[in-house]
Amino acid sequence: QQQVKQSPQSLIVQKGGISIINCAYENTAFDYFPWYQQFPGKGPALLIAIRPDVSEKKEGRFTISFNKSAKQFSLHIMDSQPGDSATYFCAASINNFNKFYFGSGTKLNVKP
Amino acid sequence: DAGITQSPRHKVTETGTPVTLRCHQTENHRYMYWYRQDPGHGLRLIHYSYGVKDTDKGEVSDGYSVSRSKTEDFLLTLESATSSQTSVYFCAISESRIEQYFGPGTRLTVT
Repeated sequence: QQQVKQSPQSLIVQKGGISIINCAYENTAFDYFPWYQQFPGKGPALLIAIRPDVSEKKEGRFTISFNKSAKQFSLHIMDSQPGDSATYFCAASINNFNKFYFGSGTKLNVKP
Repeated sequence: DAGITQSPRHKVTETGTPVTLRCHQTENHRYMYWYRQDPGHGLRLIHYSYGVKDTDKGEVSDGYSVSRSKTEDFLLTLESATSSQTSVYFCAISESRIEQYFGPGTRLTVT
């Protein structure tokens, strides 16, 4: 049973458009939600992260929106670029436990 | 890749043979992890370590064992490889849960 459910599995966006990836969780003990970006042939790398005491976090073109009551969070990529084409993973962890639960991943293709 | 190496990078082995994958770090991070990545499943935690000789099971630990005799090395052993263990294996390290640093991965094929 996957602790973090991610959708869509794949996404095609035109250059300049907005990419949106959604994740949902059930365990209310989760209190840290990172997003990782993975390019082909490489390991994932931390992109941006949020804690549930804020509803939004923005870093450049990347924004996490967090809805604690719905137990959902999403990644928005504004002005998507071909260089953003990668697989994105959401994740969640519990305080005092250095374990992460990852979503199933979203393969983003940004067309020029 | 933040001072993490994995060896081998590619391996083809036969069903029933034992296989050991090695993760080596130069960052002196306390925590080390082994994940497998499969299409449709994302990254799934196999085992992790929170110190030398301190390890615990993850979500998909059946058929795998680990050992950590030194801070810098974390070994993953497939005791008797099966075709269902064909996957890409990633090692990761962290000093806190703020960020995990992933290695380059090992592609394992079990025939």
